[in-house]
Formats: sequence, structure tokens, C-alpha cells
Amino acid sequence: QSALTQPASVSGSPGQSITISCTGTNSDVGAYNYVSWYQQHPGKAPKLMIYDVINRPSGVSDRFSGSKSGNTASLTISGLQAEDEADYYCTSHTSSNSLVFGTGTKVTAL
Amino acid sequence: QVQLVESGGGVVQPGGSLRLSCAASGFIFRNYGMHWVRQAPGKGLEWVTYIYFTGDNKYYADSVKGRFTISRDNSKNTLYLEMNSLRAEDTAVYYCAKDIRGNTASVGDYWGQGTLVTVSS
Repeated sequence: QSALTQPASVSGSPGQSITISCTGTNSDVGAYNYVSWYQQHPGKAPKLMIYDVINRPSGVSDRFSGSKSGNTASLTISGLQAEDEADYYCTSHTSSNSLVFGTGTKVTAL
Repeated sequence: QVQLVESGGGVVQPGGSLRLSCAASGFIFRNYGMHWVRQAPGKGLEWVTYIYFTGDNKYYADSVKGRFTISRDNSKNTLYLEMNSLRAEDTAVYYCAKDIRGNTASVGDYWGQGTLVTVSS
């Protein structure tokens, strides 16, 4: 199972909106609505930000939103803040009842 | 509150074995599938293995198939990862994660703090 494709880095000014893409295949992202997004700060465990494409866990800011079109899922961060600087990973359920992670995206607030 | 606490990491020689444990609390452990996910130093996240809530079904990444074994003891609220024939490329922080579902590998909503496994001579 190949990793899902994410841009290596995305940056934006504080207050702006940014979008991170996550491209898979019709055996993972395109086939199931089980796409999730994680935020990871250096030295910390990943934190779930979005699950099942569009759902936010309790306590996650509504500045984070998810979507999907075909084999590509997206995470949008609105009103970018300094605390949003982190690595972000997507993941998807696969036809083998496994998970596949994205390559990861480093978000920088300029 | 949900807590997952990994233990058992350490330094092991190539070809050696190690068993990781993940003690769960704050939720009904026997109702949820569980994952192991790893992260090599300076690298991204890699899914390793998943086990059904019952323990009946197990799934593995190709990179560990035949060498690693996931198991669980629902009476002890504990998840395990038995790692054999360890290689240098298995060096990573290993996280256990709880899925929101019992029999579909879909999403890890809670994660432990991780335990470091170093394979080196």
C-alpha cells in the first residue's frame, strides 16, 4: 500500500486560510468516507482533528474543516494561528481493512 | 478520561525480539479495535497493525508481516505487540491508538505517548 500524497509544506499569513491536499486511489480515499486528519507538534503524539472526512471531535476548533472529492481529500485551516504550526497527516481506510497514512505536511504561519 | 500508556521499548540488537504493551483505561476496551502506529526518527507516521475488538482478526503492514504479532487481553485492558527478527529499519517510536469502531480500521481517536524502540548493535 503506497502512502497517500500530501504537499511537503504549506504556509500562510496569520488570519489567512490554507488547504492541505491528500491524494490516494480508488482503493482507499476514493472508495471510503473514512479519511482522517492528525496534527502533530514536535515530540508529541498525533492529535485527531477530523474524522470520517468532515467530522470534528469534541474540543477541536471549528477553524478546521475537511472535505473530499474523488480520490483527493482536503483539510482547510481558516484564520491561521501561530499555534497551528505543526505537521499534519491524513489517513484513510483501505480495501485490506488497514490504514494508510499520508506523507505529511509541515504548516508554517509566516 | 481515556488513557493509553505504552511500555516495553528499549535497545535491542538486530535479529532480536521485544514485546510492547499498551495499558488502556477510561473506556470500555473490549468494544474497540486497536492499532499500533510507528514513527521513525525524523520521518512520518506509518501504520503497523490493527486488531478487532474481539481479538479474532488482525491485519499487518507488509513491512512487518510474519515478524510482528498483535494481540490483546480484554480482561486486562491491555494491547500487545510482539516484535521478532527486528531490523534497523524498525527503529521508531511506537504508538498504540484506539479506533472509534470495533471491526473497521478507520481512525485513531486517542493515542498513547509512545515508546521508543532502537534496533542497533
